[in-house]
Amino acid sequence: DTEVTQTPKHLVMGMTNKKSLKCEQHMGHRAMYWYKQKAKKPPELMFVYSYEKLSINESVPSRFSPECPNSSLLNLHLHALQPEDSALYLCASRIAGGPNEQFFGPGTRLTVL
Amino acid sequence: GQQLNQSPQSMFIQEGEDVSMNCTSSSIFNTWLWYKQDPGEGPVLLIALYKAGELTSNGRLTAQFGITRKDSFLNISASIPSDVGIYFCAGPRFAGTASKLTFGTGTRLQVTL
Repeated sequence: DTEVTQTPKHLVMGMTNKKSLKCEQHMGHRAMYWYKQKAKKPPELMFVYSYEKLSINESVPSRFSPECPNSSLLNLHLHALQPEDSALYLCASRIAGGPNEQFFGPGTRLTVL
Repeated sequence: GQQLNQSPQSMFIQEGEDVSMNCTSSSIFNTWLWYKQDPGEGPVLLIALYKAGELTSNGRLTAQFGITRKDSFLNISASIPSDVGIYFCAGPRFAGTASKLTFGTGTRLQVTL
């Protein structure tokens, strides 16, 4: 299995909702990433987990809360988002301590109303 | 923060033509990665480069790691309609034990029949 999966593919939520994005990989990668991507822009790093521990938080607002329950799963919990948080959210993984190639999932298109 | 500049920003070409694009940095990278992203999808890794001067091919794609380690080039030969998309270069930076990617600004490729 050489892919990263993300669910849901699309998500529409109101500013008072709580929702979660899910990412899964079975490649044995121990580094996992969340990115946010706006239209026509490169992906922007949000969080990095290394061996299931949060190692980088790129000053992301607390309305985004990451969680890595095990080595295959990465969640992003969303609460009280703003319309400007609408974007494509990408998950990626790589071999921790190994080559720098990151493998991306297909993304979740999030719309905040 | 660190940014990788890609040129051209966008290009229209005819099917069958060869394409060249480049990525430049103000600082040195030890790895260069090239990704392609289709609309609404996650980036897909095309080629990884690990040595200055290295030339690597993947089908009709050829990428080179610049001798100065501050640039990289991607060529696509005999373009076809499915080459349409955004091409991103990326280089890794290390923050503690974690590696994070700096992405280029992207080159949007459109192919006409």
